[in-house]
Amino acid sequence: QKEVEQNSGPLSVPEGAIASLNCTYSDRGSQSFFWYRQYSGKSPELIMSIYSNGDKEDGRFTAQLNKASQYVSLLIRDSQPSDSATYLCAVRRPGYSTLTFGKGTMLLVSP
Amino acid sequence: DAGVIQSPRHEVTEMGQEVTLRCKPISGHNSLFWYRQTMMRGLELLIYFNNNVPIDDSGMPEDRFSAKMPNASFSTLKIQPSEPRDSAVYFCASSLRGLFEQYFGPGTRLTVT
Repeated sequence: QKEVEQNSGPLSVPEGAIASLNCTYSDRGSQSFFWYRQYSGKSPELIMSIYSNGDKEDGRFTAQLNKASQYVSLLIRDSQPSDSATYLCAVRRPGYSTLTFGKGTMLLVSP
Repeated sequence: DAGVIQSPRHEVTEMGQEVTLRCKPISGHNSLFWYRQTMMRGLELLIYFNNNVPIDDSGMPEDRFSAKMPNASFSTLKIQPSEPRDSAVYFCASSLRGLFEQYFGPGTRLTVT
């Protein structure tokens, strides 16, 4: 089982819709979770971090964490074409000071 | 504030040549990470420094790869000799130890022919 899994996509949504991106992880006890956005040809950009079960909102972005089910998700409300990018999930596994990244989900928002 | 700085942004070299990639972390950050990204394997951690000391180099693929961090504001990743399969985008990232949020540089796109 891969340590951090994401559907590669692409996930296609129309402009104005809610995009839901999901990530599962294998190491129970993982403590820190991050979402990065990566535009084509650019570097990963940190957009959200979440550490506790529940929801964390920042503008149009909401991160959701469920440690019991070992998944973390990212919701993007009122999706815009400029949100089209690959979204990487990153997890800090127990006993590590580094992050393990998923391979990312490509999101396409059509006008 | 300046982010993570990497140079060169693009490097094209021939197989067998030495390649040196450079990174300047965000001022005040004391953890530095080198990653390699390819379509097939995604983003892979190569090596991690804390306070200029290499902590985990288990991701370094072969002895052809080496990394140094002579001071808090500079790190290098060297490949000698380079091979076509080393072609990838190499990212440097930095963070404050204990916070775990990593900030990435713009990357170096390496092509080995």
